Amino acid sequence: QVQLVQSGSELKKPGASVMVACKASGYTLTRHAIIWVRQAPGQGLEWMGWINTNTGNPTYAQGFRGRFVFSLDTSVNTAYLLISSLKAEDSAVYYCARTPSGSYSDAFHVWGQGTMVTVSS
Amino acid sequence: IVLTQSPGTLSSSPGERATLSCRASQSVSSSDLAWYQQKFGQAPRLLMHGASSRATGIPDRFAGSGSGTDFTLTISRVEPEDFAVYYCQYHGNSYPNTFGQGTKLEIK
Repeated sequence: QVQLVQSGSELKKPGASVMVACKASGYTLTRHAIIWVRQAPGQGLEWMGWINTNTGNPTYAQGFRGRFVFSLDTSVNTAYLLISSLKAEDSAVYYCARTPSGSYSDAFHVWGQGTMVTVSS
Repeated sequence: IVLTQSPGTLSSSPGERATLSCRASQSVSSSDLAWYQQKFGQAPRLLMHGASSRATGIPDRFAGSGSGTDFTLTISRVEPEDFAVYYCQYHGNSYPNTFGQGTKLEIK
């Protein structure tokens, strides 16, 4: 069964870093692009960017450049989102999602269950 | 590309027809328009891709249509499990691949 399984909820202090894991199950990670989506509390979906799982090349939407880093570890079939210098406004649910192909420009047929990140002192 | 969904909230009774709208700020290819359903506390689920193709397992009471700048998601007879938030999404070659702000379908 094809799944994206994300790591659990995180509570962090402002200025800290957090890494969210997205493990691909039932398929090889490098066959499909991974996209990251943010959803702030009570808000809509925000496209953060994507990572080419063949080359490891990330692309970030404006607003997610600098403190956000997408990466891969193909040995464990897992994609990662690293957020550094956390701010209160980073508190949100972060989703990884997969397209049917190696390209980002397709619908998201598979989603992770989401990881809630809470930033609070 | 900005996607504007209307209405923000739609009140319907089970068995009624529901029509949700998604308007793009510029013309997009139908192949680049998707719809998602999100229930409270859950991840979004793909409903429609290519504007009018139902995703795997989606019942045929859901239908997508439209072209250019105007797209519609229609639920022919709303079921109790359909009350949720619905998002349209542009997923073409232009960055970023944006979502609409969502339409909440609530029980009347």
